[in-house]
Amino acid sequence: DTAVSQTPKYLVTQMGNDKSIKCEQNLGHDTMYWYKQDSKKFLKIMFSYNNKELIINETVPNRFSPKSPDKAHLNLHINSLELGDSAVYFCASSQEDTLYQETQYFGPGTRLLVL
Amino acid sequence: GQNIDQPTEMTATEGAIVQINCTYQTSGFNGLFWYQQHAGEAPTFLSYNVLDGLEEKGRFSSFLSRSKGYSYLLLKELQMKDSASYLCAVMDSNYQLIWGAGTKLIIKP
Repeated sequence: DTAVSQTPKYLVTQMGNDKSIKCEQNLGHDTMYWYKQDSKKFLKIMFSYNNKELIINETVPNRFSPKSPDKAHLNLHINSLELGDSAVYFCASSQEDTLYQETQYFGPGTRLLVL
Repeated sequence: GQNIDQPTEMTATEGAIVQINCTYQTSGFNGLFWYQQHAGEAPTFLSYNVLDGLEEKGRFSSFLSRSKGYSYLLLKELQMKDSASYLCAVMDSNYQLIWGAGTKLIIKP
């Protein structure tokens, strides 16, 4: 009954490869996000999707592409992986409530190591 | 530019009280969040403030002053399991969350 789940939890791969990370939420939320947390522990927003439409796209390389087959899923595909892509990637989801509070709930993270 | 400032690291003693401060400068304000993140785990929601004042939730309380661009998280009766990073985040006028770098809290016996 995990609220926000991600797979895989760990991903070790070679430079130049293409990989995908999957995210699913069973909270019925309208918005999902991808964050990158680097070695300095700073959380950086990469993308957010609201009802299958991209509403935030920060200055990330176009090697990163989010794909949302439906409201409950937001997958992250990465082409031509580089050493600097090594980080922890967190998926999150949120829903605006009647008090306009939009708490984000995070998945467990995917630890990506590019060799 | 938008900026969230919080101390990098704090140390406190088990059973004591600690206050973690956060100051912010953002384009607009739609609420301030505090998250807890244990090493190797995902951030988890602690509190949300949108109006000035103190919100109490068990051993944790969060305070907000919008005029001063200031918040603090107060942790009472500290336990060893409270050792974690505490992240301050502000929702700006575009409803985007602006994150601080986090405060690493070390609890000593």
